[in-house]
Amino acid sequence: NAGVTQTPKFQVLKTGQSMTLQCAQDMNHEYMSWYRQDPGMGLRLIHYSVGAGITDQGEVPNGYNVSRSTTEDFPLRLLSAAPSQTSVYFCASSYSIPDDYGYTFGSGTRLTVV
Amino acid sequence: AQSVTQLGSHVSVSEGALVLLRCNYSSSVPPYLFWYVQYPNQGLQLLLKYTTGATLVKGINGFEAEFKKSETSFHLTKPSAHMSDAAEYFCAVSARTADKLIFGTGTRLQVFP
Repeated sequence: NAGVTQTPKFQVLKTGQSMTLQCAQDMNHEYMSWYRQDPGMGLRLIHYSVGAGITDQGEVPNGYNVSRSTTEDFPLRLLSAAPSQTSVYFCASSYSIPDDYGYTFGSGTRLTVV
Repeated sequence: AQSVTQLGSHVSVSEGALVLLRCNYSSSVPPYLFWYVQYPNQGLQLLLKYTTGATLVKGINGFEAEFKKSETSFHLTKPSAHMSDAAEYFCAVSARTADKLIFGTGTRLQVFP
């Protein structure tokens, strides 16, 4: 099925470990983004990309890296995990065509850093 | 820059009562506005999105939102609450189509029998 696929769905890390959250979309959307969701704070933008090779920082980029080598993939890297990065992470892609626009969200990755 | 303020982190209503969830936005350009719903331990589901020129936007599950430019508001309403409406609701804004989406902090709706 077409959509945004996030892996893994759950992950437990130890402080200081690194990992990559994967995000892939098969809808040929140019724009992709990463959010983290924390209780009482809504979803906050971490990084976003307007196309392959182009990325920019969002509201809370510290401790995260991204790259966009292809239109389909937008991985999020945690360089050295900290307990403050315990959160639920959502990836999204978006489209804009004549008379329509919208966003497709992945199902999320629940990350716990101990 | 865009921003969203959702008034009331928790709203409680009785089943059958009117649901009103408030959202005010700030935008330097004509905004693109959205309401999303999130059920426990699930992802985001689009309720409705603003279409330029419309004032009343109808969404799924009987929800609708009214765009008031003069008040910079996009409040979400439903005439009669159902138990299944209990969830968290997020208002969001972007400056352009397919641009970064800025979310409010969310409103948790409780529905009592």
